Amino acid sequence: SQTIHQWPATLVQPVGSPLSLECTVEGTSNPNLYWYRQAAGRGLQLLFYSVGIGQISSEVPQNLSASRPQDRQFILSSKKLLLSDSGFYLCAWRKQNTGELFFGEGSRLTVL
Amino acid sequence: SQKIEQNSEALNIQEGKTATLTCNYTNYSPAYLQWYRQDPGRGPVFLLLIRENEKEKRKERLKVTFDTTLKQSLFHITASQPADSATYLCVWNAGNMLTFGGGTRLMVKP
Repeated sequence: SQTIHQWPATLVQPVGSPLSLECTVEGTSNPNLYWYRQAAGRGLQLLFYSVGIGQISSEVPQNLSASRPQDRQFILSSKKLLLSDSGFYLCAWRKQNTGELFFGEGSRLTVL
Repeated sequence: SQKIEQNSEALNIQEGKTATLTCNYTNYSPAYLQWYRQDPGRGPVFLLLIRENEKEKRKERLKVTFDTTLKQSLFHITASQPADSATYLCVWNAGNMLTFGGGTRLMVKP
């Protein structure tokens, strides 16, 4: 069966520091992968999606970037965090035939 | 751009009653709509999907309807239980595009 993991689960970072969140999927090949951000009490905002290695589409211009170095690995990064980057970050993979999304456990980022 | 609107106010109902949540969208109809449940501090979990050519879909105590004329989907939970308390998200889906509504928080009181 397919599983998705992301880490770290929680982190507190100072403004201006770098960020790296990692997401890996097991049990499926060539998945469509997504990064979402959820601010407190708000809906999910799509940040990036990827349909294959090295292929990244950005939905929102910001100081975040994403990379897909391997088929089942998706990384969210920032060189310098802003206060507004605080939130709950969710990685997801999408089932091709039905379109449903499967989410990781989430990473809660607090920028101070 | 596509907008998905869900009632941002919490829905409070009594245990045993039917909960009905609304999802409205603008512009054009999606290929399908999805509904997810999200508990605090967790990622959303898929519940149901309904295609544009389907009017109704059921799964146990859950029922989803899709009206392309009204541009609306309704999500029903019958015989609601306190364990059904969560935030429910509607997702508009066409191709690779998925747009989430803001979610509606449901509180089922014993």
